[in-house]
Amino acid sequence: DAGVIQSPRHEVTEMGQEVTLRCKPISGHDYLFWYRQTMMRGLELLIYFNNNVPIDDSGMPEDRFSAKMPNASFSTLKIQPSEPRDSAVYFCASSLRSNQPQHFGDGTRLSIL
Amino acid sequence: DQQVKQNSPSLSVQEGRISILNCDYTNSMFDYFLWYKKYPAEGPTFLISISSIKDKNEDGRFTVFLNKSAKHLSLHIVPSQPGDSAVYFCAARAGGGNKLTFGTGTQLKVEL
Repeated sequence: DAGVIQSPRHEVTEMGQEVTLRCKPISGHDYLFWYRQTMMRGLELLIYFNNNVPIDDSGMPEDRFSAKMPNASFSTLKIQPSEPRDSAVYFCASSLRSNQPQHFGDGTRLSIL
Repeated sequence: DQQVKQNSPSLSVQEGRISILNCDYTNSMFDYFLWYKKYPAEGPTFLISISSIKDKNEDGRFTVFLNKSAKHLSLHIVPSQPGDSAVYFCAARAGGGNKLTFGTGTQLKVEL
C-alpha cells in the first residue's frame, strides 16, 4: 500500500533557478497539503487542495511560490526564482476526507546556494 | 507568532520510565489536537489525537491530556522504549477545518 510519494528527495540548486517539487498523494485521498519545515518555525502549512481545487493558499510566502494540482494523483510546488532563504524540507501530505489524519510523504530537502 | 508552542526542544528519558512532552497553545478557537511522531529522513506520522470535549485520550502506551483552561496539552509515553526516540510535533486545528498549526517539535531520546 503506497504512501505519499515525493520527488526529488534532495535538491541542491543555485539561487535564481526554478525549482519544482512533486507529490503523488495516496490514491483516493481527496485532500492534499504542502508544508515547509524549518528549525525556527517548525512545520508550516503553505497551501491545501480539495478535489484538485486550491482551498487555502494563505501560507504561501510570496508570489515566487506557486502550486498546482492538475489531477487527483499529482501536485507540484514551484519556486521561481529560488532564494537561499527557501532552503528547508518541504512535505506533502494527503487525507482521505475532511478532518481525517494527514499522511505525510518523506519530504524533499531543498538547498538553495 | 507561534500559536502552538513546544518550549522544550529536547528531552532525554531512561528506557522504561515515563516520557512527558508538553505543548501550549494561544488560540482559544483550537478545538482538536494531534500528536505526530517523526523519524529522521521520514515524514511525520500520526500518533494520537484529542477533541476539546475530552480531557484525556489513551492508546496503548500513549496518553494525551488536555487542560483547556490552561491551554495546555501533554503526551505521556509509558513505558518509554528506545524506538520511541524521535521528534514529536504537537498540532492543533479550529472549527472542524483542515488547517493544522504545528509546534516546532521536541526531540525525545530514550536511553538504555
